[in-house]
Amino acid sequence: IAGITQAPTSQILAAGRRMTLRCTQDMRHNAMYWYRQDLGLGLRLIHYSNTAGTTGKGEVPDGYSVSRANTDDFPLTLASAVPSQTSVYFCASSDSLASSYNEQFFGPGTRLTVL
Amino acid sequence: GQNIDQPTEMTATEGAIVQINCTYQTSGFNGLFWYQQHAGEAPTFLSYNVLDGLEEKGRFSSFLSRSKGYSYLLLKELQMKDSASYLCAVTDSNYQLIWGAGTKLIIKP
Repeated sequence: IAGITQAPTSQILAAGRRMTLRCTQDMRHNAMYWYRQDLGLGLRLIHYSNTAGTTGKGEVPDGYSVSRANTDDFPLTLASAVPSQTSVYFCASSDSLASSYNEQFFGPGTRLTVL
Repeated sequence: GQNIDQPTEMTATEGAIVQINCTYQTSGFNGLFWYQQHAGEAPTFLSYNVLDGLEEKGRFSSFLSRSKGYSYLLLKELQMKDSASYLCAVTDSNYQLIWGAGTKLIIKP
């Protein structure tokens, strides 16, 4: 693989169900991010990780959790999905968070619908 | 609060020039990015400005004025494939990227 992969590509989920969105990068980037993108609102940061073993909360963390057991993987879990979590989710990575040049590389996205 | 403003939508003609503006108010400034996002796809990097002035890269140029909290993306010789959303993002004092909502650019023949 090259770059960032996300799975699944799309998912329809019943409210109340648990769901994990997967993200894997092979660029050996230290920092990883999860965003949601909703029409008219742009990208909003959910959680981020500076390096393996550390995570932090972004702008809209409620209802989501993440883990960073190793450099490559950064899964996002919805413990009990609600309809307001219907969105397109993008995973991204960058070489370092603590840098002014923080170009982020994005995965293809997961389109999630919660009914 | 932190805020980035861009026009919601713009329309331009194939072969013409278009300028997409971005104004920002953030807690600190450590650089400004422009990304391109085609419908249904991921954002991809276009340009980065950290110092005042113009950065040119082929048909695309990006300008920054830090004192005015202002940037623009200039697209020349527009092609149909340039139809996309253009996202402005600023790195704040905590090195977090703050994103604008994006400008949808429609190119007409």
